Amino acid sequence: AQKITQTQPGMFVQEKEAVTLDCTYDTSDQSYGLFWYKQPSSGEMIFLIYQGSYDEQNATEGRYSLNFQKARKSANLVISASQLGDSAMYFCAMREYSGGGADGLTFGKGTHLIIQP
Amino acid sequence: KAGVTQTPRYLIKTRGQQVTLSCSPISGHRSVSWYQQTPGQGLQFLFEYFSETQRNKGNFPGRFSGRQFSNSRSEMNVSTLELGDSALYLCASSLGQGHNQPQHFGDGTRLSIL
Repeated sequence: AQKITQTQPGMFVQEKEAVTLDCTYDTSDQSYGLFWYKQPSSGEMIFLIYQGSYDEQNATEGRYSLNFQKARKSANLVISASQLGDSAMYFCAMREYSGGGADGLTFGKGTHLIIQP
Repeated sequence: KAGVTQTPRYLIKTRGQQVTLSCSPISGHRSVSWYQQTPGQGLQFLFEYFSETQRNKGNFPGRFSGRQFSNSRSEMNVSTLELGDSALYLCASSLGQGHNQPQHFGDGTRLSIL
């Protein structure tokens, strides 16, 4: 079974609209971290936002917020007021902690977001 | 503050050769991880080093190896290259090993095997 599922391979959104990118995860660990990364066509991976499994508040970073629903194992990324420069691949990732230390990041397949003027 | 630096940016090799990729982490970061990105398999974790010790390893054959130096710089080596090793190899660094530590990525090394 996939540990990170991103169900939207591609999305087209009008500039200035809000965008929600879906991410569900699967883990039996109690301690884990959830991350979102942006990868423009140039290839670099840019860290956007982090949510810890014990965090009660949803994480926010500027125009990015993470809608964390622990019971549903859901960690959706919300981008407010989208801009043309937001066009990129977006990856949801999880880092589990299994007692012996944190594992490497497990990534979803990504969502290709295209912002239209 | 300088970001994660990976060298070289591009490499072309032939089957059977070996290759070494280099990664300099963000200053002060002690954990370095390596990932392989391909169109078919996506992003996959290779291994992580912390304090010069390999702490985690992904599901890759022994042809993939790495090391970390006392200054936290890391190298990754792939021996007996195969066509399927063509990929973008990404290095990421973080302050520590915790699951709450964001990993910051370099621009990657694009390896092509002919």
